[in-house]
Amino acid sequence: ETGVTQSPTHLIKTRGQQVTLRCSSQSGHNTVSWYQQALGQGPQFIFQYYREEENGRGNFPPRFSGLQFPNYSSELNVNALELDDSALYLCASSRDTYGYTFGSGTRLTVV
Amino acid sequence: KQEVTQIPAALSVPEGENLVLNCSFTDSAIYNLQWFRQDPGKGLTSLLLIQSSQREQTSGRLNASLDKSSGRSTLYIAASQPGDSATYLCAVRFGGTANSGYALNFGKGTSLLVTP
Repeated sequence: ETGVTQSPTHLIKTRGQQVTLRCSSQSGHNTVSWYQQALGQGPQFIFQYYREEENGRGNFPPRFSGLQFPNYSSELNVNALELDDSALYLCASSRDTYGYTFGSGTRLTVV
Repeated sequence: KQEVTQIPAALSVPEGENLVLNCSFTDSAIYNLQWFRQDPGKGLTSLLLIQSSQREQTSGRLNASLDKSSGRSTLYIAASQPGDSATYLCAVRFGGTANSGYALNFGKGTSLLVTP
């Protein structure tokens, strides 16, 4: 079975721009969640989607938004990028929120 | 506030030693606890998942224990090897049921270096 794949692996954006990160869930998983990991910190929960609906959100502003598609793949969109948005963005999938499988992440640098 | 703390922040041991990594959490009402490994600049690899009804899980040289009443979990690594060098993260799902909380709450991790 395939694992969780994320694209792109690295990305450089300018402050104020918008970015879209993508995630393909592991086969058979219906739940996807996104995390932000700043350097030297543990990952912070952004939000989770279950069967195409957001069912949990962390302490992130509305300019962080997402989608889950019928094939359970997902996108994370960030508008009006700020320098502090520079981080590793991790996608995780699970089946019915049991145990989570993480992707390799997208390293976003905002300059 | 629900928090997860990992001690120590960094650890260096010679190859072959047995070692224990610690994780503490502030609320005993948890759904499960998961230990992950993270290599520099990489994603997370799941090591062990312990449900709230379980006391421990084992995989190869790894053993994780859970004591909800004291708010603690330990990850025991036997006969450490240089390839074990990585950051180890503890993540807790708070809430007593599958639907009461979805977020994984992470500690900051323990950076482990095993020297030959």
